[in-house]
Amino acid sequence: EDKVVQSPLSLVVHEGDTVTLNCSYEVTNFRSLLWYKQEKKAPTFLFMLTSSGIEKKSGRLSSILDKKELFSILNITATQTGDSAVYLCAGDEGAQKLVFGQGTRLTINP
Amino acid sequence: EPEVTQTPSHQVTQMGQEVILRCVPISNHLYFYWYRQILGQKVEFLVSFYNNEISEKSEIFDDQFSVERPDGSNFTLKIRSTKLEDSAMYFCAIKVGTDTQYFGPGTRLTVL
Repeated sequence: EDKVVQSPLSLVVHEGDTVTLNCSYEVTNFRSLLWYKQEKKAPTFLFMLTSSGIEKKSGRLSSILDKKELFSILNITATQTGDSAVYLCAGDEGAQKLVFGQGTRLTINP
Repeated sequence: EPEVTQTPSHQVTQMGQEVILRCVPISNHLYFYWYRQILGQKVEFLVSFYNNEISEKSEIFDDQFSVERPDGSNFTLKIRSTKLEDSAMYFCAIKVGTDTQYFGPGTRLTVL
């Protein structure tokens, strides 16, 4: 059965800290790994990773995929209160569906 | 980011009633998906729809569920006889490019 596991489940840090969120996956017909940010309602797209070892960056956020170890991390540097959200990791299974992890709830305290 | 709207934003219904949730992508897309998220739980895949046919469905998507694209633009999810456990956020998603799925704002379904 396909499985995506995220850690930690919850993280509380102070503004300005750097955080690393983890995602491990076991997904048949794996095509890509996606990260989303979920604030109040819908997941909003952050990154899609298909190749190992190539870092994707967007401002203070970056992510990398290790297809050998079946693992991805999402880094956020110089965190701000607006980064508070649930971060979701999902494996794309054969382009027919996304298999989601349970999410990491990130809280940034001022 | 492609725009996807969903209506209604919140639907309250009595157990046993039929509900229809709607998804309207702003531009033409071929791939559509429905996911649901029960409060406090993970996002779960329901069904994928490509070229006006179901291409994959999960165990959750039983005979009580159906999807269609009646007029070439709206994409609907119908639940024939709602149960209490159908209460959840329902998200429509569209695929753009190779694998990126973009989600609509969701419909909160409350079954009483």
